[in-house]
Amino acid sequence: QVVLTQPPSASASLGASVKLTCTLSSGHSSDAIAWHQQQPGKGPRYLMRLNSDGSHTKGAGIPDRFSGSSSGPERYLTISSLQSEDEADYYCQTWVSGIGVFGGGTKVTVL
Amino acid sequence: QVQLQESGPGLVKPSETLSLTCTVSGYSISSGYYWGWIRQPPGKGLEWIGSIYHSGSTYYNPSLRSRVTVSVDASKNQFSLKVRSVTAADTAVYYCARDGGNPDYWGQGTLVTVSS
Repeated sequence: QVVLTQPPSASASLGASVKLTCTLSSGHSSDAIAWHQQQPGKGPRYLMRLNSDGSHTKGAGIPDRFSGSSSGPERYLTISSLQSEDEADYYCQTWVSGIGVFGGGTKVTVL
Repeated sequence: QVQLQESGPGLVKPSETLSLTCTVSGYSISSGYYWGWIRQPPGKGLEWIGSIYHSGSTYYNPSLRSRVTVSVDASKNQFSLKVRSVTAADTAVYYCARDGGNPDYWGQGTLVTVSS
């Protein structure tokens, strides 16, 4: 069973950048993941699918400020030029043999 | 534009069955993709429940498999979720989503409370 590990919180100043990490458990370092954003009081929104080589496919309407990268079992989401509406929970998610798994989420605070 | 909308009772009694339906617009379920359910207990993270293909092929979260059924009615462009023998731990916002390995379109969610 794959496990996705995310730090519970992150923060950065308005206009700065923040890099979020999602770590895949042993044996799953080549798996693709997806990143989802959940703003306060709203449902999740798909941001992108991120492959082990760092290539990524973003969802419709996702700004260029959101980008993904990978290194070994680590999957990253970088948000540049932070805006107030980026304050949200961010979840990584993967799937193994058709079964989905979510990480615990990272709460991003914009200072 | 793919849109999904959950519907069903907002209150279910303990030990009874929770039933929700997701209506899809802007895309035909019969055209492909898996279609799934995800839930979020109040103040907690997301939990994947299960998904179904238009042909009826299903996948379930092992921790919920014994109590959950996902079904599809392609003629109505709908798919459904049933959770049997519910307890207070099943209280959550339930989301439906287009789930091609990664959910890329989500419904707005519906809160289901389990209480007598």
